Amino acid sequence: DAGVTQSPTHLIKTRGQQVTLRCSPKSGHDTVSWYQQALGQGPQFIFQYYEEEERQRGNFPDRFSGHQFPNYSSELNVNALLLGDSALYLCASSLGTETYGYTFGSGTRLTVV
Amino acid sequence: QQQVKQSPQSLIVQKGGISIINCAYENTAFDYFPWYQQFPGKGPALLIAIRPDVSEKKEGRFTISFNKSAKQFSLHIMDSQPGDSATYFCAAIRVRAAGNKLTFGGGTRVLVKP
Repeated sequence: DAGVTQSPTHLIKTRGQQVTLRCSPKSGHDTVSWYQQALGQGPQFIFQYYEEEERQRGNFPDRFSGHQFPNYSSELNVNALLLGDSALYLCASSLGTETYGYTFGSGTRLTVV
Repeated sequence: QQQVKQSPQSLIVQKGGISIINCAYENTAFDYFPWYQQFPGKGPALLIAIRPDVSEKKEGRFTISFNKSAKQFSLHIMDSQPGDSATYFCAAIRVRAAGNKLTFGGGTRVLVKP
């Protein structure tokens, strides 16, 4: 049973560029949440997608956007990258939105230079 | 706004010893408190969790103690092993909130010396 799959595992981008990160949820899950984990800190909630809609958003600027596809997979897009966007981006999937059963992927390590 | 505060930031314990990590929360609407374990290069993995109507929960060598009136909870790792060396995060969530989200503490890096 495949868990949460994220791609790519690592990438390096230049300031001002745009990046797209991808997530495939655990089999049977239909909800995807994205978290940003800066080095040495706890993950911070970015947003959650359910039924292809953004259900809740954390304290992140509009440069951060997302999408969920009919197969429940999701993308996180970040525009106009800043050095401070360097972090581990985690995808977590769950069944439904009123749940505590989250499964995290191993994340995408983004470095902005 | 940091709604879950975690301490200490790091700790070193000898093999066989007890590791204790403490967390405090502010939002009384939280109704589920999980602990996650994270190894380098991996995502957080659920370790153990507790609801606020329970004062203690034990699973193997891991125990959560919960003090609702003080808005504090803690993780005890008994008989610590080198394989327990990892970063531990406490978290809190309002399960029935639409678009619920996990609010994490800052993490505790645990090193178990053989």
